[in-house]
Amino acid sequence: DSGVTQTPKHLITATGQRVTLRCSPRSGDLSVYWYQQSLDQGLQFLIQYYNGEERAKGNILERFSAQQFPDLHSELNLSSLELGDSALYFCASSVGVSNTGELFFGEGSRLTVL
Amino acid sequence: QKEVEQDPGPLSVPEGAIVSLNCTYSNSAFQYFMWYRQYSRKGPELLMYTYSSGNKEDGRFTAQVDKSSKYISLFIRDSQPSDSATYLCASGYSGGGADGLTFGKGTHLIIQP
Repeated sequence: DSGVTQTPKHLITATGQRVTLRCSPRSGDLSVYWYQQSLDQGLQFLIQYYNGEERAKGNILERFSAQQFPDLHSELNLSSLELGDSALYFCASSVGVSNTGELFFGEGSRLTVL
Repeated sequence: QKEVEQDPGPLSVPEGAIVSLNCTYSNSAFQYFMWYRQYSRKGPELLMYTYSSGNKEDGRFTAQVDKSSKYISLFIRDSQPSDSATYLCASGYSGGGADGLTFGKGTHLIIQP
């Protein structure tokens, strides 16, 4: 158990809809990262928050947004969903702001868009 | 060309064999090299972490980095069925931030009992 909690584990929705994925980092970790994993693209970095502030941005679509709350949990909002958004979404956390690769991943949220 | 490349497999070997998993990378700035293990329907977990070139050993696992050839390897000795998983290599650099950490697509390993 990594200590990172993600909900929901599975989500099935329709195109055009909006969903929210939730992540609680390990106790003491200030950084939260969101990744998307698909068979063809592998693990793709979306966005990082550190202590409530956006720290780094990756290949995140404009239809997607995230935030980190004062209690350090984070939410990833996906809107106007398309079939291609079907993927595994992982949250990871680390202690510091600089990502040297030592990440602790949650078990992921599997999103299926029909 | 992706910055970190690895053969997706599957790689199937008998129990007890020595397994060699490999990655190549293209960014000379990479200084940190990691191997993550991902079981089916689970999140990746950090297995080995190496800074710069050289070898690192942890139990049955040895990570090797050759910066001159931009080659990353993971060796598993006395492989067990419980080692069956997807192995992701990843590389990053100091000050590169989260967007500078690049993962390979993973190699699916199957250890046959």
